[in-house]
Amino acid sequence: QLQLQESGPGLVKPSETLSLTCAVSGGSIISSSYYWGWIRKPPGKGLEWIGTIYYSGSTYYNPSLKSRLTVSVDTSKNQFSLNLNSVTAADTAVYYCARRVARSGSQFDHWGQGTQVTVSS
Amino acid sequence: QSVLTQPPSASGTPGQRVTISCSGSSSNIGSNTVNWYQQLPGTAPKLLIYSNNQRPSGVPDRFSGSKSGSSASLAISGLQSEDEADYYCAAWDDSLNGHVVFGGGTKLTVL
Repeated sequence: QLQLQESGPGLVKPSETLSLTCAVSGGSIISSSYYWGWIRKPPGKGLEWIGTIYYSGSTYYNPSLKSRLTVSVDTSKNQFSLNLNSVTAADTAVYYCARRVARSGSQFDHWGQGTQVTVSS
Repeated sequence: QSVLTQPPSASGTPGQRVTISCSGSSSNIGSNTVNWYQQLPGTAPKLLIYSNNQRPSGVPDRFSGSKSGSSASLAISGLQSEDEADYYCAAWDDSLNGHVVFGGGTKLTVL
């Protein structure tokens, strides 16, 4: 059974870099059928797509976050990561990693449980 | 402001049928498939409907989706108390080199 697990600091200071990793188990991240993505949910707001990566390293980013965002993949560890720099309180959210079906740009069929990240000094 | 427009709230009594709308544009819903997600309180979102009207294994047939032009709808028939959740539509948007857009979400209350 495919499982995704987010990990990383729960508290990040303003202006610093938010770094999260998603470990994939029960399946290989190397697949032509899937992409891997990050989505977040700020408090009191709806879901916001952050970015998506293919195992080859090809990336798609939210235009509003692109200048601060890097998503990378480590196929040897079967995991992918998110780095968001120059964070502010507006980046406080629950962050989810998810598997995306390749043929559909917005079809995320497996999700991690999510991890709370708070930006505060 | 979300690119896809959903009503912020919806409600119904047990056994009723409710529908949730999702309005977009030619660059997203008008040219790509729509997916719907259910987020129960305190849990991760779950894929509820994919490719406009397909149900993943395990999703009851009380849930159905449809799409017409640049709009989509989620219908829930035989409403149950456990359906109380937030519902989100999503689609790929072809503008700005391509990106995913979500609706703002609809909070469904079972009265």
